[in-house]
Amino acid sequence: GIQVEQSPPDLILQEGANSTLRCNFSDSVNNLQWFHQNPWGQLINLFYIPSGTKQNGRLSATTVATERYSLLYISSSQTTDSGVYFCAVELVGGSQGNLIFGKGTKLSVKP
Amino acid sequence: DTEVTQTPKHLVMGMTNKKSLKCEQHMGHRAMYWYKQKAKKPPELMFVYSYEKLSINESVPSRFSPECPNSSLLNLHLHALQPEDSALYLCASSRWYSGEKTQYFGPGTRLLVL
Repeated sequence: GIQVEQSPPDLILQEGANSTLRCNFSDSVNNLQWFHQNPWGQLINLFYIPSGTKQNGRLSATTVATERYSLLYISSSQTTDSGVYFCAVELVGGSQGNLIFGKGTKLSVKP
Repeated sequence: DTEVTQTPKHLVMGMTNKKSLKCEQHMGHRAMYWYKQKAKKPPELMFVYSYEKLSINESVPSRFSPECPNSSLLNLHLHALQPEDSALYLCASSRWYSGEKTQYFGPGTRLLVL
């Protein structure tokens, strides 16, 4: 079955708007990371967050491990936030280091 | 410093060529990874090395041959590739036994097989 599901698949925002991206996963996790892939292909680590809440500037993330979901919040979006956001998990019972990626959310921020 | 470097940035090769991709990190990480990413798809794990030993091979064809000569370097040797192997190849590194096991990715090598 599907192990990591992300929603929405596509998101278009006006600059300055806020957004929430969601990641559902099928089992308990040892590792959960959020990445931003820029148009040049670079995968930038945003958060390591198997549980709890973290904030970094305009970005924050929350993982509710018992309910098997994680949320990424982007506030006051900027055009440079455009790209694909991936959630990736290492499942408990899976191979260590095996990060399974969701299909991503493609974000476009318009000026 | 959370930098992983990869060379070359771009590579074009014929189906009979032999080439190698290189990856380097100086974060003291003891795990290194190769991922393959096709256009508009998420990355998929190929290989994992922990303490310079291969710990995961995700059923990758033998025309891809990984090598970890020391704890800072990871190579991917390519031979007799097919056009469908054209993709972005990403390297990553992380801690293995303790602490946060955040995977840090390099900028990737864009491979085109003709």
